[in-house]
Amino acid sequence: GAGVSQTPSNKVTEKGKYVELRCDPISGHTALYWYRQSLGQGPEFLIYFQGTGAADDSGLPNDRFFAVRPEGSVSTLKIQRTERGDSAVYLCASSGGGSSYNEQFFGPGTRLTVL
Amino acid sequence: GIQVEQSPPDLILQEGANSTLRCNFSDSVNNLQWFHQNPWGQLINLFYIPSGTKQNGRLSATTVATERYSLLYISSSQTTDSGVYFCAVRGGTSGTYKYIFGTGTRLKVLA
Repeated sequence: GAGVSQTPSNKVTEKGKYVELRCDPISGHTALYWYRQSLGQGPEFLIYFQGTGAADDSGLPNDRFFAVRPEGSVSTLKIQRTERGDSAVYLCASSGGGSSYNEQFFGPGTRLTVL
Repeated sequence: GIQVEQSPPDLILQEGANSTLRCNFSDSVNNLQWFHQNPWGQLINLFYIPSGTKQNGRLSATTVATERYSLLYISSSQTTDSGVYFCAVRGGTSGTYKYIFGTGTRLKVLA
């Protein structure tokens, strides 16, 4: 597609449930980032993929959070045993194509609400 | 890790006014981007500018990497410029891949 897409746009779940958030990067982009943004704050880095591998997962807050990118394109962020504090907008970005190799492009985000 | 500070935190302008937003960072960087987050939450790329000066219409940006700051200039502001402006940097002596965002400048342009 022309831009980064994320699904779902909104997700409401109950405390303790498992959720998956999906990111489709710009075609051909090799790098993919996940961020989390709380109200009134800047995006906070979670994890960076180069190709299929997680090159830097230092931002994942704990072992309930996990992300995969099995074929080097689509990525899924997985959150187990959700807590109310996980409520935020989860943003995905990709980079690595053509003349704008290092420039990140963001998707619209998934708003996660944990009740 | 790198610390990123943006100023001012809030800014209110009359339509047509000019403004300068500042981003200070605490270590050397190899990537720097400016974004505009619109009222619907979408982050829109403004500039990729690890050094030097760029211009795009009413917007321009300058990064002085040796002095660890970047400036975003908005001229002849319009109501559609309202939103939050973020700078994001990557680099530092640790060679990390992670981008660090500042806390943003919240801009409101009045008609």
